[in-house]
Amino acid sequence: DGGITQSPKYLFRKEGQNVTLSCEQNLNHDAMYWYRQDPGQGLRLIYYSQIVNDFQKGDIAEGYSVSREKKESFPLTVTSAQKNPTAFYLCASKGLWQRVNTGELFFGEGSRLTVL
Amino acid sequence: RKEVEQDPGPFNVPEGATVAFNCTYSNSASQSFFWYRQDCRKEPKLLMSVYSSGNEDGRFTAQLNRASQYISLLIRDSKLSDSATYLCVHGGSQGNLIFGKGTKLSVKP
Repeated sequence: DGGITQSPKYLFRKEGQNVTLSCEQNLNHDAMYWYRQDPGQGLRLIYYSQIVNDFQKGDIAEGYSVSREKKESFPLTVTSAQKNPTAFYLCASKGLWQRVNTGELFFGEGSRLTVL
Repeated sequence: RKEVEQDPGPFNVPEGATVAFNCTYSNSASQSFFWYRQDCRKEPKLLMSVYSSGNEDGRFTAQLNRASQYISLLIRDSKLSDSATYLCVHGGSQGNLIFGKGTKLSVKP
């Protein structure tokens, strides 16, 4: 079945360590997104990519980095510069034929990062 | 004005009740609106798109009021399985989707 796979589902790290969250999709979608969700809060956009080898900062990109070397993959690195990294991270995708701000987003199951 | 505003709730209703949520948005140029459902500690999933003429899907009805910049979601004959957080979403000015913080619904037996 087609879908988006995020890993790991749960991750614990010590403060000051970089961590990379994986996001893979086999939906043949061009656009991919990373959101962060904190308890009781809405989703906030970290980075997005509409095409391979290109990506744009979202509202809260500081302390994060991404790459888009393959259409299927959009990994997110949470660097030590991110001051409050503990959160629920959601990856999503959609087809390019849909304008960026329209159409359904398909989400992965999320990665829950806890920094100790 | 915040981009998307929703009453966080919780809305506690008995089974069979009708419940309505409203959401206001700031981008008057937005062309796309959605309601997503998010279960506790899970990813959001599209519940329904919101069309200018309003649309219905079973027990769920969504409406858009462009003049007042709000959208609504009506749930009739509430089921226990409707308990979740409902996220209001619209297209942002920078070409992305803007999510509200969500309205929590709890349906009790």
